[in-house]
Amino acid sequence: EAEVAQSPRYKITEKSQAVAFWCDPISGHATLYWYRQILGQGPELLVQFQDESVVDDSQLPKDRFSAERLKGVDSTLKIQPAELGDSAMYLCASSFGPGQGSTDTQYFGPGTRLTVL
Amino acid sequence: GENVEQHPSTLSVQEGDSAVIKCTYSDSASNYFPWYKQELGKRPQLIIDIRSNVGEKKDQRIAVTLNKTAKHFSLHITETQPEDSAVYFCAVSPGAAGNKLTFGGGTRVLVKP
Repeated sequence: EAEVAQSPRYKITEKSQAVAFWCDPISGHATLYWYRQILGQGPELLVQFQDESVVDDSQLPKDRFSAERLKGVDSTLKIQPAELGDSAMYLCASSFGPGQGSTDTQYFGPGTRLTVL
Repeated sequence: GENVEQHPSTLSVQEGDSAVIKCTYSDSASNYFPWYKQELGKRPQLIIDIRSNVGEKKDQRIAVTLNKTAKHFSLHITETQPEDSAVYFCAVSPGAAGNKLTFGGGTRVLVKP
């Protein structure tokens, strides 16, 4: 069964450093999502891509966060500089996308747990 | 924006008993309501979902009910087993274009043997 892949699984960094996370969605999924999950809370959407285009980045702290999906397949989320409050699980998810005649089902990757010291 | 509230935040049940988790949402245009199970350190896994044109859906020991008028939906787990212990999240998707999910705060379920 195809799964969403993410790397690294764990990342420890010091504040003010740059970090990057990678996501490879399920093949054929046009829509890709990055969520942030703070311990004990539900995931919150940071950015949503439809193919290579951003369709929602309203909750992305754009002064320090950036995301790209250059070829409409895999994606990278970057934080620069990292702050203590960025410690969280960063989850990537993918779905076929709207208008595909299928479902809205989102499939999640294993996440990257970021610790900022 | 959409607001999803989930209750209770923790739930302890005896093995074999039933567990019920309830979520309320604010946007009446929402049309898709999935439930995810997340075990410690693992990815959220979809366990069941329901759409606004259906009032109830069942899959073995798991069922979801939807009341669109009251804007709430519930997850029902019957004959609970220790492997049902996890955090459960409800989510809501808007009726407009795009599939953004807004999640509830989660319910930690503990099934005691």
